[in-house]
Amino acid sequence: DAGVIQSPRHEVTEMGQEVTLRCKPISGHDYLFWYRQTMMRGLELLIYFNNNVPIDDSGMPEDRFSAKMPNASFSTLKIQPSEPRDSAVYFCASSLVGDRTDTQYFGPGTRLTVL
Amino acid sequence: DQQVKQNSPSLSVQEGRISILNCDYTNSMFDYFLWYKKYPAEGPTFLISISSIKDKNEDGRFTVFLNKSAKHLSLHIVPSQPGDSAVYFCAARELGAGSYQLTFGKGTKLSVIP
Repeated sequence: DAGVIQSPRHEVTEMGQEVTLRCKPISGHDYLFWYRQTMMRGLELLIYFNNNVPIDDSGMPEDRFSAKMPNASFSTLKIQPSEPRDSAVYFCASSLVGDRTDTQYFGPGTRLTVL
Repeated sequence: DQQVKQNSPSLSVQEGRISILNCDYTNSMFDYFLWYKKYPAEGPTFLISISSIKDKNEDGRFTVFLNKSAKHLSLHIVPSQPGDSAVYFCAARELGAGSYQLTFGKGTKLSVIP
């Protein structure tokens, strides 16, 4: 299995621009998670989906952030408009409930820099 | 308020010795704990986990200990190898209510010196 795939790996944009991060979970997994990692706050859960339905988006920092999962193999995290404080590494993870440990499998992350 | 705390941002250990990484939590509803390992430019990868019904779980060189009364867990790596140099995250999950989300600590950077 290819694992969780994220694109792009790096994104540099200017303040005010729209940014879209993409994620392809592991085939057959029924949970998908979006995280943000910063030095100050560590790894924070932004939102997660179960069977393509958003379950908890309480971690989404502001209305500028939105996430969708149109089907079982694709999810996007959009920031519009972007701000310098959004600079971070964004991880997508997926899991299969009932798996041996219910662990989450992370993608390599997208490093976002907003100038 | 951080519910999962890793108070040591970094740790250096000589190759062959034991590495002990610590984690404290405050939420008494947590009943499943995991350790993840992260190399630079990669996502975290699962290492080992423990359920609250146990106080120890071992997998090769890695052992996790859980002290529920103290709300403390630790990861022991014996013997430590240079390839173990990475950032280690402690994570906790509150089972029940259909929640599968994890709460992570900020991580401890382990450096194993050859």
